Amino acid sequence: DIQMTQSPSSLSASVGDRVTITCQANHDISNYLNWYQQKPGKAPKLLIYDASILKTGVPSRFSGSGSGTDFTFTISSLQPEDIATYYCQQYDNFPPTFGPGTKVDIK
Amino acid sequence: QVQLVQSGAEVKKPGASVQVSCKASGYTFTGYYMHWVRQAPGQGLEWMGWINPHSGGTNYAQKFLGRVTMTRDTSISTGYMELSRLRSDDTAVYYCARDPLRGSLNNWFDPWGQGTLVTVSS
Repeated sequence: DIQMTQSPSSLSASVGDRVTITCQANHDISNYLNWYQQKPGKAPKLLIYDASILKTGVPSRFSGSGSGTDFTFTISSLQPEDIATYYCQQYDNFPPTFGPGTKVDIK
Repeated sequence: QVQLVQSGAEVKKPGASVQVSCKASGYTFTGYYMHWVRQAPGQGLEWMGWINPHSGGTNYAQKFLGRVTMTRDTSISTGYMELSRLRSDDTAVYYCARDPLRGSLNNWFDPWGQGTLVTVSS
């Protein structure tokens, strides 16, 4: 199975700050990577697919980049409603696997 | 709009089985693969398997082979996930999720059901 790691595991930032999360795969997964947002007590929601494509309707302050083994997820200006845990997920290899998540809080 | 609505919370004893349902609406049920993903309390996301609602074909994660069965009833646009020989570490929220592209298996998930908490306790 492809192992996914994320860093940091948690972070606190102020409203308006730029927030960056990294995700690393232990094998080349090309751009077959998604990012999900999970708010407390809710199901995950897809934000970005194919590493960098923003799902329709998702605010443009969210973005993703990367390919191969190293990926980045950015919130350009953190908003209070962005408090959540963010997961990366690879779908290049079977089985699909998730990173351990990054919890984002407001400072 | 596309919606997946799951059955309610369950409490089961160790060794028992549980079946969770996922009713789809807003799209052609047989046109999209359905996945099941679980999340133990305070933990991350774990993919369990998929079912092709058109053919009934399935594929399960190695970890769950022999204990999980995914089925569907196309007449009511509903998928089911049954997990048997439950253990305390099966306590989790179980989610169904649709593969987003019609007619193809992509192994990503959009949208998700609201989740079903399964508690395994003696």
